[in-house]
Amino acid sequence: DVKVTQSSRYLVKRTGEKVFLECVQDMDHENMFWYRQDPGLGLRLIYFSYDVKMKEKGDIPEGYSVSREKKERFSLILESASTNQTSMYLCASSTRTTGGNQPQHFGDGTRLSIL
Amino acid sequence: QKEVEQNSGPLSVPEGAIASLNCTYSDRVSQSFFWYRQYSGKSPELIMSIYSNGDKEDGRFTAQLNKASQYVSLLIRDSQPSDSATYLCAVNLGRGSTLGRLYFGRGTQLTVWP
Repeated sequence: DVKVTQSSRYLVKRTGEKVFLECVQDMDHENMFWYRQDPGLGLRLIYFSYDVKMKEKGDIPEGYSVSREKKERFSLILESASTNQTSMYLCASSTRTTGGNQPQHFGDGTRLSIL
Repeated sequence: QKEVEQNSGPLSVPEGAIASLNCTYSDRVSQSFFWYRQYSGKSPELIMSIYSNGDKEDGRFTAQLNKASQYVSLLIRDSQPSDSATYLCAVNLGRGSTLGRLYFGRGTQLTVWP
């Protein structure tokens, strides 16, 4: 089974802090994704990566950055945390295919509160 | 224009009934379609994948795809209270698809009452 592990289930930080969310997958997947999920807004893509050191902006990249130095690890960085970044953050991964897409597999999520 | 749309619900059905969840998408070249189940406070869990027109059955779940109508549905037969969750439709719309991106609907909340 695919295992996507997020470093924390719950995290509380203060406004202005630099926050790191870590995600590791054990299936040698090429693609990795960071989403946030808020009530009524669904899943929103922040950033994704299709290879080591490669990244693409999603729909809401402002205030976030990412890092992918190794294939199995994808980090989300909140440069200066703000209260409107309080949310559930979900990491996902998928394998690359030539035709169509394979499904994404999600980690358990990190519920982040910014005070 | 929303790219992946689901009937927002909530949908409420009695135990043992068939629950029908619907999803439409905007891009005719889409090739891959997925249904996820998400329990409250948990992360999405893949329950069905479908790539070709027609029906695909897995236990009590049936996914139906009609590419001409740009429509994918999920039927849950013999619904159980444990099926109560939010169901997310995901599609690989044309743009971004070669990089593995999926587009998600906002989900339909299903309640199965005993």
